[in-house]
Amino acid sequence: AQTVTQSQPEMSVQEAETVTLSCTYDTSESDYYLFWYKQPPSRQMILVIRQEAYKQQNATENRFSVNFQKAAKSFSLKISDSQLGDAAMYFCAYRSPSTGTASKLTFGTGTRLQVTL
Amino acid sequence: DSGVTQTPKHLITATGQRVTLRCSPRSGDLSVYWYQQSLDQGLQFLIQYYNGEERAKGNILERFSAQQFPDLHSELNLSSLELGDSALYFCASSLGTGNSPLHFGNGTRLTVT
Repeated sequence: AQTVTQSQPEMSVQEAETVTLSCTYDTSESDYYLFWYKQPPSRQMILVIRQEAYKQQNATENRFSVNFQKAAKSFSLKISDSQLGDAAMYFCAYRSPSTGTASKLTFGTGTRLQVTL
Repeated sequence: DSGVTQTPKHLITATGQRVTLRCSPRSGDLSVYWYQQSLDQGLQFLIQYYNGEERAKGNILERFSAQQFPDLHSELNLSSLELGDSALYFCASSLGTGNSPLHFGNGTRLTVT
């Protein structure tokens, strides 16, 4: 079974600075999908960014980018120019495509990000 | 707005009772997933349906059951409730293919007293 590990329970960043959240995963599959979700205090789950394992190019969405290292099974999230609204819990998630429609997301335990003035 | 609708938003009930949580997926999505999030915990996968059929099962208790109806909405039934069942229950939907992301509803907050 796939596992997702987020080793940083909490992180803090100053407004306008850059922060990187770590995520590692364990899998024997060669093709899969990785996601970062954000959960603000409202508890809503919001998709931040996604990466297909077969793509070498790192995904980017505005101020959010990933560093995908397939050999190391690492998928970190970089937030540039941090804003107060970025304060949230961030979850890394793994998805296997091999089971077709039976493709659930497996989540890490999350990293709580604080943004300070 | 994710397009996934969950009702009710909040539910308070007593131990031993039974409740039903409802989820309407995004238009066009065939797959529905249920997740449980206990206080300050990660999301635990419960069960997945695709076009009315159960496709994957996680750590779902025998006291819990779910179904997806022909109109694709889904219900999660929780019975013989215990204090430990208090949690945020999320429904998510997707097209069902491997790379299609899950879109989450706002969750149902269940409190068992």
